[in-house]
Amino acid sequence: AQTVTQSQPEMSVQEAETVTLSCTYDTSESNYYLFWYKQPPSRQMILVIRQEAYKQQNATENRFSVNFQKAAKSFSLKISDSQLGDTAMYFCAFEWGHNDMRFGAGTRLTVKP
Amino acid sequence: KAGVTQTPRYLIKTRGQQVTLSCSPISGHRSVSWYQQTPGQGLQFLFEYFSETQRNKGNFPGRFSGRQFSNSRSEMNVSTLELGDSALYLCASSAGPGTGATNEKLFFGSGTQLSVL
Repeated sequence: AQTVTQSQPEMSVQEAETVTLSCTYDTSESNYYLFWYKQPPSRQMILVIRQEAYKQQNATENRFSVNFQKAAKSFSLKISDSQLGDTAMYFCAFEWGHNDMRFGAGTRLTVKP
Repeated sequence: KAGVTQTPRYLIKTRGQQVTLSCSPISGHRSVSWYQQTPGQGLQFLFEYFSETQRNKGNFPGRFSGRQFSNSRSEMNVSTLELGDSALYLCASSAGPGTGATNEKLFFGSGTQLSVL
């Protein structure tokens, strides 16, 4: 069974600082995708970053980057220069086919001014 | 390009009733997926449709069903509503295979908040 674990229910960070959100997953699949989604109070899930498991290079998107450790089944998200607009729930997700995505329980991130 | 549109935004029903939720994917997208989000169970996959065919289904009872039309719009139906069906129902679309898209990103709508009384 595919499972995703986010061990940090809540985190906070000062504006302009860096924060890292943790995610581990369990799977026997060899080809899959990993995602971080952001869900602000508007409830819409917004894709933050995506990583293909076959790529060793860590994905980056502006202030967002991941540390993908395939052997350890770890996929953490680093947010640099945190902004107030980054305040949201962050979900780590795993997908291996037909858009059947497994989500973690989420981490509520608060960016403080 | 318009995003994924879900209607209605809010819905209140009573136990035993049935409900139909609608999702219009991004233009050109042929795959539509449905997810249920609750505080207790988190986000759970319901099913996925591509070209009017259900390709994948999550672990939900048969009261939950869906369909996809030729224009890729999708509907989700829940019959004999139970209190536990109260949730945010999210729809997501992607281009799907064979469309020439190399990026299988999922784009989500804002959801339908269903309350069962």
